[in-house]
Amino acid sequence: DSGVTQTPKHLITATGQRVTLRCSPRSGDLSVYWYQQSLDQGLQFLIQYYNGEERAKGNILERFSAQQFPDLHSELNLSSLELGDSALYFCASSVGLAGRSGETQYFGPGTRLLVL
Amino acid sequence: GQQVMQIPQYQHVQEGEDFTTYCNSSTTLSNIQWYKQRPGGHPVFLIQLVKSGEVKKQKRLTFQFGEAKKNSSLHITATQTTDVGTYFCAGKKQGAQKLVFGQGTRLTINP
Repeated sequence: DSGVTQTPKHLITATGQRVTLRCSPRSGDLSVYWYQQSLDQGLQFLIQYYNGEERAKGNILERFSAQQFPDLHSELNLSSLELGDSALYFCASSVGLAGRSGETQYFGPGTRLLVL
Repeated sequence: GQQVMQIPQYQHVQEGEDFTTYCNSSTTLSNIQWYKQRPGGHPVFLIQLVKSGEVKKQKRLTFQFGEAKKNSSLHITATQTTDVGTYFCAGKKQGAQKLVFGQGTRLTINP
């Protein structure tokens, strides 16, 4: 158990809908990262937040947005869903910024999203 | 942008055989990390390499960081069925915020 929690574990929805994925980082971790992993694919970095502020952006679609709240939990919002958005979405957390050496990322169990 | 290439994409071995996965970056890295993802699981941190030419061992696993800090490898000696999973390398450029993951090498083992 990494200490990172994600809800829900599974989500089935229809095209065009909007969903929110939630992540609670490990106690004491200030950074939260979101990744998308499609079937048989690697980890695609979406976005990083540090202490409530956006710090780095990857190939995140405009239909996707995220935020980190004062209690450090984070939400990833996916809207106008398409079939291709079906994937496993991981949240990870680390103590500080990834810019420093030694910043291990601890991954949550993921949310499996299926868009029908 | 920064790219991290990992080969092979898939590797199937007999139990007891050795296994190696290679990671190459288009840019010089400040550090590289390795993660393992078991089937149906989430990535779990294995190790971080920081110094040029660094070699670290964890039981049957040997990790190397190249002299130019652009490539890395993970070697498993005498694989066991518990080694099954996908191994990811992840590198970070000096001063960059994000960790760039390789595509991973999926290891399957014939018992």
